[in-house]
Amino acid sequence: QSALTQPRSVSGSPGQSVTISCTGTSNDVGGYNYVSWYQQHPGKAPKLMIYDVNQRPSGVPDRFSGSKSGNTASLTISGLQAEDEADFYCCSYAGTYTVIFGGGTKLTVL
Amino acid sequence: QVQLVQSGAEVKKPGASVKVSCKASGYTFTSYGINWVRQAPGQGLEWMGWINTYNDNTNSAQKFQDRLTMTTDTSTSTADMELRSLRSDDTAVYYCARGDQYYESSGEVIYVWFDPWGQGTLVTVSS
Repeated sequence: QSALTQPRSVSGSPGQSVTISCTGTSNDVGGYNYVSWYQQHPGKAPKLMIYDVNQRPSGVPDRFSGSKSGNTASLTISGLQAEDEADFYCCSYAGTYTVIFGGGTKLTVL
Repeated sequence: QVQLVQSGAEVKKPGASVKVSCKASGYTFTSYGINWVRQAPGQGLEWMGWINTYNDNTNSAQKFQDRLTMTTDTSTSTADMELRSLRSDDTAVYYCARGDQYYESSGEVIYVWFDPWGQGTLVTVSS
């Protein structure tokens, strides 16, 4: 089972918006509304940012939003801030009681 | 507050086994699953498996199925992960993470997102 496909890096200036894509197949991303996104700062544990495609846990700013179309999920960060610079990982249920992560995207705030 | 605290770093020789512990607090332990995820140096996240803390049912990624054992001790709200026959490419930070219960079409419990995560345990495999 191959990892979900994410761009290796994205960048944006403070105040701008960026979108990170996460492409899978009909057996994972396209087959279930169970996509989640995690933010990981260097040397830290991942933090849940989005679950069930577009739901935000309490405490996560509404600048973070998620969506899905077909086999591709997306995380959009609007009003970029310096502290958003981190690695981001998507994750999807893949059926048969398994979960799969994306390869990760490094977000740089210019 | 909800918290997962993991055991300390380990150094193991190839062929040995390692056990990582994850102690939960701040919630009812048996109401949520525990997942195990690892991250090799400079690499991405890799899901290893989960354990249903209510009935001890487990599921794991195929690549780990013959080397991975996940257990719980409900009396201490602790989950353990044991990986056997260690190789150098098992060198990684190992995380536990709480999973909220969802239900597959079969009626079986699944865990599809993870929150919170433990602080991570570095396991180094070296001769």
